[in-house]
Amino acid sequence: GNSVTQMEGPVTLSEEAFLTINCTYTATGYPSLFWYVQYPGEGLQLLLKATKADDKGSNKGFEATYRKETTSFHLEKGSVQVSDSAVYFCALKNNYGQNFVFGPGTRLSVLP
Amino acid sequence: ETGVTQSPTHLIKTRGQQVTLRCSSQSGHNTVSWYQQALGQGPQFIFQYYREEENGRGNFPPRFSGLQFPNYSSELNVNALELDDSALYLCASSTDRGAMNTEAFFGQGTRLTVV
Repeated sequence: GNSVTQMEGPVTLSEEAFLTINCTYTATGYPSLFWYVQYPGEGLQLLLKATKADDKGSNKGFEATYRKETTSFHLEKGSVQVSDSAVYFCALKNNYGQNFVFGPGTRLSVLP
Repeated sequence: ETGVTQSPTHLIKTRGQQVTLRCSSQSGHNTVSWYQQALGQGPQFIFQYYREEENGRGNFPPRFSGLQFPNYSSELNVNALELDDSALYLCASSTDRGAMNTEAFFGQGTRLTVV
């Protein structure tokens, strides 16, 4: 079946630190991969996506590269800000279904 | 262009009762999906509606049912509420039946507490 695994949180960083949140997946076929972010009290917002192997998604200083050989889609940011504090969800969607399969989420707290 | 709106934002129900949650999809979107997000977990797919027909269902019992209206808004109904139904319910709208490369736009959710 399809599944997504993320590193456990919470992750606590100081402002301007480097961020990596690991994500690996198991899927049939060749899925599209997504990172969604959930700020406190809000729904999910798309952060970035990649639809084929070796694609790099990027947005707001965040990046993730679709690595088919390691079935991974790790999220990175070079310098985090307090405003990046949120829960980050890695997700996949493949052509055998119309729904997202989400990981459990990783809570990030950035301290000033 | 309006976003996805859900109502109510919070509600409390008693075990055994029935509840209806509502979602207005983003303008131009004909596909609505519902997800259940238990505390501290990722969202789980309940079902999807495309042009008023159910177009896929996750591993949820039949007491979870839905509707989509001609304007593409949607309802999620849950009968015989159980304590484990306490969660944030998210509505997501998209186009193309949620095709593989298509992102979805999520509402802010309805927080349901069953006591």
